Amino acid sequence: AQTVTQSQPEMSVQEAETVTLSCTYDTSESDYYLFWYKQPPSRQMILVIRQEAYKQQNATENRFSVNFQKAAKSFSLKISDSQLGDAAMYFCAYRSVQGAQKLVFGQGTRLTINP
Amino acid sequence: DTEVTQTPKHLVMGMTNKKSLKCEQHMGHRAMYWYKQKAKKPPELMFVYSYEKLSINESVPSRFSPECPNSSLLNLHLHALQPEDSALYLCASSQARWGTGVDYEQYFGPGTRLTVT
Repeated sequence: AQTVTQSQPEMSVQEAETVTLSCTYDTSESDYYLFWYKQPPSRQMILVIRQEAYKQQNATENRFSVNFQKAAKSFSLKISDSQLGDAAMYFCAYRSVQGAQKLVFGQGTRLTINP
Repeated sequence: DTEVTQTPKHLVMGMTNKKSLKCEQHMGHRAMYWYKQKAKKPPELMFVYSYEKLSINESVPSRFSPECPNSSLLNLHLHALQPEDSALYLCASSQARWGTGVDYEQYFGPGTRLTVT
């Protein structure tokens, strides 16, 4: 079974600075998807960024980018120019390519933005 | 419209009550999901419906009974719950072309905060 580990329960960053959230995963599959989800205090889970394992190029979405290291099974999220609205719980998640869309989540990292 | 709606927002129920949670989407998605999320924990998958048929039951106790009456609606019927069932219940939906190698984003609703007394 696949597992996802986020080793940083909490992180904080100054507004406008850059922060990196860590995620590692374990799988025997060669093709899969990785995600970062954001859950603000209002509770609604929002997809931040997605990475296909077969793509070598790291995904980027505006101020959000990932560092995908397939051999190391590492998938970190970098947030540039942090904004107060980035404060949330961030979950790293894994999904197999085949079969039902079952997301396996990490334990989450609570990100605080200091003004 | 990329919205998944859930009602009610909050629910308090006794252990002998019967209640239902409702989820609705109008994005044409044919896969719908129920997740349970305890405080400071990640969501845990409970059920998946594909084309209105139950495709995954993650060994959920029978006091939780899902229902998908049509492609836009998903219900979760609750009966004889325990205090440890208190949690945030999240609904999600997505396209349902599994196994094609094409990923379809799961859109989450805001959740129902359930308290069992």
